[in-house]
Amino acid sequence: GAGVSQSPSNKVTEKGKDVELRCDPISGHTALYWYRQSLGQGLEFLIYFQGNSAPDKSGLPSDRFSAERTGGSVSTLTIQRTQQEDSAVYLCASSLHLNTGELFFGEGSRLTVL
Amino acid sequence: DAKTTQPNSMESNEEEPVHLPCNHSTISGTDYIHWYRQLPSQGPEYVIHGLTSNVNNRMASLAIAEDRKSSTLILHRATLRDAAVYYCIPYYIIQGAQKLVFGQGTRLTINP
Repeated sequence: GAGVSQSPSNKVTEKGKDVELRCDPISGHTALYWYRQSLGQGLEFLIYFQGNSAPDKSGLPSDRFSAERTGGSVSTLTIQRTQQEDSAVYLCASSLHLNTGELFFGEGSRLTVL
Repeated sequence: DAKTTQPNSMESNEEEPVHLPCNHSTISGTDYIHWYRQLPSQGPEYVIHGLTSNVNNRMASLAIAEDRKSSTLILHRATLRDAAVYYCIPYYIIQGAQKLVFGQGTRLTINP
């Protein structure tokens, strides 16, 4: 497709389970970003990738969160031992290069932790 | 980080112009001002950006104050589809990487 694709669109899981969220950026975009948005809140920046490298992981909320990107394309955000406060919409965005301000966002993955 | 101040909400009527203000008094000389909007149940979408001069594109116009401490996003003829949360974001580069930090934005309601 032409846009940023995220899967699953909805995920309901039980507290303590691990979840993986996938992001497929626009072809040719070198930069990829993860944000999360809790109900009624603004967007919280989590991490970005330039190619396969994530130079700054300080935005990840805890060590239960990790992210990787392979082949300069698809990225996976993994949350281990999920907690109820992890419930949010996780948004992925990509941009042509790292230092361009036009990000293209996906529709998000809504995570609900019971 | 440059701080922004936007009204929590605004309301307008369909087919009328809308002026969405943003104060960014701590912006640095090299920070671009970006505007994004988020329609219900969707990810944010880029609207427009500028540095010093006023900018126009097919979606909107951006008027930037001469001292760059404020800007105004202008929707020339609002439609129902323009109902969204609008974010004003100073875009800066830190340690070689750009960061777009979203605030709370302005929730725009369009009345038919």
